[in-house]
Amino acid sequence: SQQGEEDPQALSIQEGENATMNCSYKTSINNLQWYRQNSGRGLVHLILIRSNEREKHSGRLRVTLDTSKKSSSLLITASRAADTASYFCATDFNQAGTALIFGKGTTLSVSS
Amino acid sequence: DTAVSQTPKYLVTQMGNDKSIKCEQNLGHDTMYWYKQDSKKFLKIMFSYNNKELIINETVPNRFSPKSPDKAHLNLHINSLELGDSAVYFCASSRVPVQGVAEAFFGQGTRLTVV
Repeated sequence: SQQGEEDPQALSIQEGENATMNCSYKTSINNLQWYRQNSGRGLVHLILIRSNEREKHSGRLRVTLDTSKKSSSLLITASRAADTASYFCATDFNQAGTALIFGKGTTLSVSS
Repeated sequence: DTAVSQTPKYLVTQMGNDKSIKCEQNLGHDTMYWYKQDSKKFLKIMFSYNNKELIINETVPNRFSPKSPDKAHLNLHINSLELGDSAVYFCASSRVPVQGVAEAFFGQGTRLTVV
């Protein structure tokens, strides 16, 4: 069963602009994670935010979490061409937390 | 050193054949997973193993059988391959979940094409 839904499905921006991707989920969670997937490659973990946190930063990444709205956003500031990739949010279930359930992803294209 | 490695990277085979995909992690993790990514990039959990014990077995045809000889390996065997099995299969590993699933490390994927 799918847990997360990213929005938008695709995003095209110019280098230097900010990119914002949103994720909504259905059930209560322990944590929410964001991953990046470059074309033809495996997924790479970007950031994890716990259910009791509201905001987290890592370099040019800023993640927010609103558990009341069951939503999260990923902001990439000052985008670079190398940020071109698909971005996925992933959640677990607030029980055993036995696996990550991924959303459909946002495809980000950054042109120079 | 590759943290999670899968072999082969590409696999082209005919319908009806049986094939295996191997996965090994050198991170010392106790939990390993298999995911299937379809042509629309949707990732679906197939199996989750914790210390060689099957934890999750999502709605996957029983033609798919995971095997974990030790906690560093989780292989995927597929019998009687069908066209619909064509996808990219990812192996992943993480520490044992404590307060939620920890950061997962993914292999590079195996692109399976059934003809």
